[in-house]
Amino acid sequence: DAKTTQPPSMDCAEGRAANLPCNHSTISGNEYVYWYRQIHSQGPQYIIHGLKNNETNEMASLIITEDRKSSTLILPHATLRDTAVYYCIVRSPVAGSYQLTFGKGTKLSVIP
Amino acid sequence: NAGVTQTPKFQVLKTGQSMTLQCAQDMNHNSMYWYRQDPGMGLRLIYYSASEGTTDKGEVPNGYNVSRLNKREFSLRLESAAPSQTSVYFCASSEQRGPNQFFGPGTRLTVL
Repeated sequence: DAKTTQPPSMDCAEGRAANLPCNHSTISGNEYVYWYRQIHSQGPQYIIHGLKNNETNEMASLIITEDRKSSTLILPHATLRDTAVYYCIVRSPVAGSYQLTFGKGTKLSVIP
Repeated sequence: NAGVTQTPKFQVLKTGQSMTLQCAQDMNHNSMYWYRQDPGMGLRLIYYSASEGTTDKGEVPNGYNVSRLNKREFSLRLESAAPSQTSVYFCASSEQRGPNQFFGPGTRLTVL
């Protein structure tokens, strides 16, 4: 799976959009970009994923550049409950199952 | 639905003791996973089971064994615990070709 690079930490004011970047310059054609988050002491939670088109769901939007070498997760109106570590993962299927490789992620702090 | 459940929530062992961590899911998922997370680190895959009856090693399998008891249950066994196995252990499940993994609340294990 391709390696990802994320900033170690970011701050965001409550109510503002949080934009979390991820670099995955070695991504290959069949690899998806996944975003998970982990709120303190809990298990990770799936947020969104995409291949090459921009995606949106009730939690967030995912913007993938045309060359697919980077992406941005957007939380449109950050709340204090969005304070968490956010993981960007690039993944390809292996042996019929799906292993996820978690790096250190970005610690997002939403500030009142 | 309870989702993914793990027992116990906390455990303290002495070096050399054995124990089994239990995991169950009620989402009829085919694939199940065991991860460990050390302080300040991302999750690392220990073992996974793509479907009932199969298990495969992940990134850090040494010192662990697993059993896929049935479709619902996937256990992780430490035969002779070592201080290096002090960690938080997360179980997860997914549809075999599903885009996201669902995580349990974790088991916090300390080996003295």
